[in-house]
Amino acid sequence: AQTVTQSQPEMSVQEAETVTLSCTYDTSESDYYLFWYKQPPSRQMILVIRQEAYKQQNATENRFSVNFQKAAKSFSLKISDSQLGDAAMYFCAYRSLFTGGGNKLTFGTGTQLKVEL
Amino acid sequence: GAGVSQSPSNKVTEKGKDVELRCDPISGHTALYWYRQSLGQGLEFLIYFQGNSAPDKSGLPSDRFSAERTGGSVSTLTIQRTQQEDSAVYLCASSPGTDYGYTFGSGTRLTVV
Repeated sequence: AQTVTQSQPEMSVQEAETVTLSCTYDTSESDYYLFWYKQPPSRQMILVIRQEAYKQQNATENRFSVNFQKAAKSFSLKISDSQLGDAAMYFCAYRSLFTGGGNKLTFGTGTQLKVEL
Repeated sequence: GAGVSQSPSNKVTEKGKDVELRCDPISGHTALYWYRQSLGQGLEFLIYFQGNSAPDKSGLPSDRFSAERTGGSVSTLTIQRTQQEDSAVYLCASSPGTDYGYTFGSGTRLTVV
């Protein structure tokens, strides 16, 4: 079974600064997807960024980028030019590509990001 | 609808009562998922539907939990004889198929007193 670990329960960043959230995972599979989701107080999970394991290039979405280190099983999220609206709980998630996996996601325990003025 | 709709948004129930949680997925989405988020925890997979069938119900924590989906659309998660440890946010998500990303609803916060 796969596991996802987020070792930072809380992080703080000053507005306009850059912050990196850590995520490691454990799997014996060679191909899979990794995700970062954001959960604001509204509770709705919002997809931030997605990475396919077979792609060596790190995914980017505007101010959000990842550092995907497949050998190290590490998948960190970098948020540049942090904004007040970035304050939320961030979850790292893993999805197996095997048919039996059914597209279910395995989540980490989350990192609460605070953005300060 | 435009998004995944869950009802009720909040539910307080007495220990031992049964509760039903409803999920309306995005129209046309064949895959539907239920997750549970306990305080301070990540999301825990409960069950997955493809159409009206549930190929994977491995995450249901006990036989007090059941779910069904009708017409390939609305799903209901039922918890019988609720216990305090059932208190959590129950999130539903849907996707066009298993090769696509999810859209989540805003969840139902269940409190068992």
